[in-house]
Amino acid sequence: EAQVTQNPRYLITVTGKKLTVTCSQNMNHEYMSWYRQDPGLGLRQIYYSMNVEVTDKGDVPEGYKVSRKEKRNFPLILESPSPNQTSLYFCASSAGLADSYEQYFGPGTRLTVT
Amino acid sequence: GEDVEQSLFLSVREGDSSVINCTYTDSSSTYLYWYKQEPGAGLQLLTYIFSNMDMKQDQRLTVLLNKKDKHLSLRIADTQTGDSAIYFCAEMWDAGNMLTFGGGTRLMVKP
Repeated sequence: EAQVTQNPRYLITVTGKKLTVTCSQNMNHEYMSWYRQDPGLGLRQIYYSMNVEVTDKGDVPEGYKVSRKEKRNFPLILESPSPNQTSLYFCASSAGLADSYEQYFGPGTRLTVT
Repeated sequence: GEDVEQSLFLSVREGDSSVINCTYTDSSSTYLYWYKQEPGAGLQLLTYIFSNMDMKQDQRLTVLLNKKDKHLSLRIADTQTGDSAIYFCAEMWDAGNMLTFGGGTRLMVKP
């Protein structure tokens, strides 16, 4: 089954404790991205990656890091989480700008930073 | 920067039509999308329209695009209780493979 998976689905952590949210897709998609969803603000893009070893900042990259060492994985790293990073996070993938315009979204990771 | 706006809330009766509206600012949009998010779930792509089209129909869904006014709408015919969800419009623009989302419209369907 074609899917985007994220782990964990729920996470409660404390300020400053480094964490990683994993994202994996099994569709051989080149393009992957991370969004955060906050009430009334919709989804805002954090980082995106056009291919392996190619990443770029989205609208709200501050406080986040990503890496794309393999095509299927695109982890989101919070080196020193702060309460304003409490949010619902979605990973998404698509075949790329030329082939397909449909982005497939993961189920979301609800993060709470106290 | 790019801005996509939607009203926050819409309530309709089962069987009626729903119309969810969206306005955007970027005239270089290439594709415009409608996503549905059910409670506790991720986003599901409902439909999309290329920016050189005025209308697209897909079963109960009709998308209308007024490029001059930068206005996008989603009409759901014969709305059912299962259509209750948050609906997001999104635009893709030329600067890259980036989507800008609106804030979402919560659709409530009353029996």
